[in-house]
Formats: sequence, structure tokens, C-alpha cells
Amino acid sequence: DAGVTQSPTHLIKTRGQHVTLRCSPISGHKSVSWYQQVLGQGPQFIFQYYEKEERGRGNFPDRFSARQFPNYSSELNVNALLLGDSALYLCASSPGTWGNTGELFFGEGSRLTVL
Amino acid sequence: SQQGEEDPQALSIQEGENATMNCSYKTSINNLQWYRQNSGRGLVHLILIRSNEREKHSGRLRVTLDTSKKSSSLLITASRAADTASYFCAFNAGNNRKLIWGLGTSLAVNP
Repeated sequence: DAGVTQSPTHLIKTRGQHVTLRCSPISGHKSVSWYQQVLGQGPQFIFQYYEKEERGRGNFPDRFSARQFPNYSSELNVNALLLGDSALYLCASSPGTWGNTGELFFGEGSRLTVL
Repeated sequence: SQQGEEDPQALSIQEGENATMNCSYKTSINNLQWYRQNSGRGLVHLILIRSNEREKHSGRLRVTLDTSKKSSSLLITASRAADTASYFCAFNAGNNRKLIWGLGTSLAVNP
């Protein structure tokens, strides 16, 4: 069975640009979460979606937005990129119900570099 | 801050030795998990321990939880070079449904 897949794996953008990151959860998983991990730190929670609705949001500015599609895949959008947005963006899926904080299954991440 | 704290930040040992890393937190938790991350890649779930459990084993891994001290430890026995990675604790507190993560312990196992 395929795990969580993310695309692109690496990308370089310049300040002020926009980026869209994509995530396909494990088949049967209805919950998708997004995390930002800056080098040398732990992941920081950005969003959780369950059944296509936002169920949780971390302390990120409105430049960050996301959505979940009927097939449970998800997109993370970041507008007006700043240098500080450079990070590894991780998507995680889980089979559980809304707010389930059991085991998360992570993709390999999308490494974003903002110049 | 709700963020977990892990120590040591970095640990270097020889193959065959045991590695112990610790995680502390400040609030009451529902459960605590440990994850492993190979250099800049995705995280892999290792073990989950619930607040009413004190110890859990999985292969060469042993996790303990002391809710009175608000701390957990991860012990890797008979370490191997392939155990070289960063290890993170993550926990869920109260009604907050997001996971809160520690800063991680970087483990190097030398052959």
C-alpha cells in the first residue's frame, strides 16, 4: 500500500511569490494535518482537516491556507512568501475521527527554500 | 509555552550501547508519542503511551511515563548504526486536539 505522498519534494521560490504543496493520504485515511519544521526544531502544527473541513489551526498568519478535497487529498497554500517560510513542510494522515491524536503517518515532506 | 523539552539535545554513543533520551512537558496530557526522523525526512511513529500507562515496550524500545514528574523517557537498547536519527516526543494535552512536539534529540551511533 502506498504511504503518504507529497509533492513537490523540493522547490525554490523568491520572496513575495506563492506556493502550493500537495499531499495524498494513505488510502482510507480521512484526516490530514500539515506541519512546518524549521531546521533544528520540532514540527509546528499548521492545520488539520477531517472530512474536508478545517478542524484545527495553529498560530500561523492568514498567508497560510489549506483545503481538503473529496478524495481526502489536501493542498497547503502560502502567499507572499517570506524568507522565514523556508522549512520542511510535512503532511500527516491518520485514519481516526476528528481530533484523533493517535499515531500519525507522515510523508517525506516538501522542502521549501525562499530566496 | 506548551512545547515539550527534550534532553539531551545531542547524544553520541558506540554501537551496542544503550541510548536514553528524555522528554518533559508542563501540562496534563492524554497520551505521549515518540517519533524518529532520519536526516530531513518524514517522521516515523515509534510508540504511543497513554496517560494511565507507566511503561511500554516495542522490540528494542522501552518508553516510560511519569505523570507526576511530567516526563517520559525513551530507551533504545543494543543500539545500531542504523538507529542514528533525531527522536521527537509529541503529546496531546487536554481538549487540544493538536500534537505538541519537543525539539528533538539527535542520536549518533558510531560503528
